[in-house]
Amino acid sequence: RKEVEQDPGPFNVPEGATVAFNCTYSNSASQSFFWYRQDCRKEPKLLMSVYSSGNEDGRFTAQLNRASQYISLLIRDSKLSDSATYLCVVTSLSGGYNKLIFGAGTRLAVHP
Amino acid sequence: GAGVSQSPSNKVTEKGKDVELRCDPISGHTALYWYRQSLGQGLEFLIYFQGNSAPDKSGLPSDRFSAERTGGSVSTLTIQRTQQEDSAVYLCASSLVLGGHPPGASLPSAFFGQGTRLTVV
Repeated sequence: RKEVEQDPGPFNVPEGATVAFNCTYSNSASQSFFWYRQDCRKEPKLLMSVYSSGNEDGRFTAQLNRASQYISLLIRDSKLSDSATYLCVVTSLSGGYNKLIFGAGTRLAVHP
Repeated sequence: GAGVSQSPSNKVTEKGKDVELRCDPISGHTALYWYRQSLGQGLEFLIYFQGNSAPDKSGLPSDRFSAERTGGSVSTLTIQRTQQEDSAVYLCASSLVLGGHPPGASLPSAFFGQGTRLTVV
């Protein structure tokens, strides 16, 4: 089983739609969680960190459920520019240090 | 530099030749990652360096792949006797990781370079 699992998509949604991405992780000791965004033929970039209490950044809301080992990203009022691959990232202990583990990503395509 | 720098940005090589890919992380970042991404696919973890600790090489796909990180800074990923299936974008990322980080606290995220696009012909 992969350490981080995501639905690969693609999610095809119209502009203005609300879309939710889910991610599950297998290591209950994981301490930190992030969502990254990767545009076509570009490197991944940090979108937002995910905090236990949940956090919001404009149209983006991230949630963490430690008991279920589940992370979500909600995008409201989708824009064409939101089209990208969204990567779920968790930490895993490696040699006493926390290593970042990336999910394979979920593709989002927003159409007019 | 301000960000993670990778070179070359593009590399075309003949099957069977060796290649070296370079990554210059953000100054002061103790953690360095190499990933590989084939066209339309997700990130594939290759190797992880953290300070002076032994690297986590669990993602290297074969013994043709090796990586070094000299002086805790610049890293070189070497692929020997390249094969066509090695064609991909090779991404490097660095992160500031502090030892003894208290449980439950958020850790710094990673910053990526723009990658080296390797084509084996």
